[in-house]
Amino acid sequence: DTEVTQTPKHLVMGMTNKKSLKCEQHMGHRAMYWYKQKAKKPPELMFVYSYEKLSINESVPSRFSPECPNSSLLNLHLHALQPEDSALYLCASSQTGQGNNEQFFGPGTRLTVL
Amino acid sequence: QKEVEQDPGPLSVPEGAIVSLNCTYSNSAFQYFMWYRQYSRKGPELLMYTYSSGNKEDGRFTAQVDKSSKYISLFIRDSQPSDSATYLCPEGYSGAGSYQLTFGKGTKLSVIP
Repeated sequence: DTEVTQTPKHLVMGMTNKKSLKCEQHMGHRAMYWYKQKAKKPPELMFVYSYEKLSINESVPSRFSPECPNSSLLNLHLHALQPEDSALYLCASSQTGQGNNEQFFGPGTRLTVL
Repeated sequence: QKEVEQDPGPLSVPEGAIVSLNCTYSNSAFQYFMWYRQYSRKGPELLMYTYSSGNKEDGRFTAQVDKSSKYISLFIRDSQPSDSATYLCPEGYSGAGSYQLTFGKGTKLSVIP
């Protein structure tokens, strides 16, 4: 099973709403990632979790709050977002350690902030 | 870290053509080379992965790596309309128990029937 699943597929929210994006993998990967992708742009790294601990935060605003409850799950909590945060949010996972660098991406959640 | 440089595209070819996509990377320590394919409004899909110089072939796809010139290429033989997508060749950086990918702008390919 080389699948990363993400829910929901689409999300529309107002600027005062609180919502969460979910990501799940069952490949035994211990590194998980959140990326943001705007239209016609490449994915940009937001957060990295390694062994359920946040290891990298690419200067992401605090209105995005990641959480890794266990080795299979990754959440992204959203609060007080802005319309410019509308994008495709991608989750990925990979093994850790030297040589195990293939990242597998989920289908993404398309977020629209009104 | 510098951005990966890719042929800007978009690239439009007739069905059956041989396609060549190219990337230049900047990190001399970069060891693991990947090509991702991304269909419109979908997540990137790992297409090819190699960790050495030379060629790696998988069906109609061949990845070529030249470490001395920091150049990687993807060749698609007998291109099909289903190959129409954006192709990404990220550069990777190890650290903190993970491997961070930095993507270039990608090359958008259209294969015309």
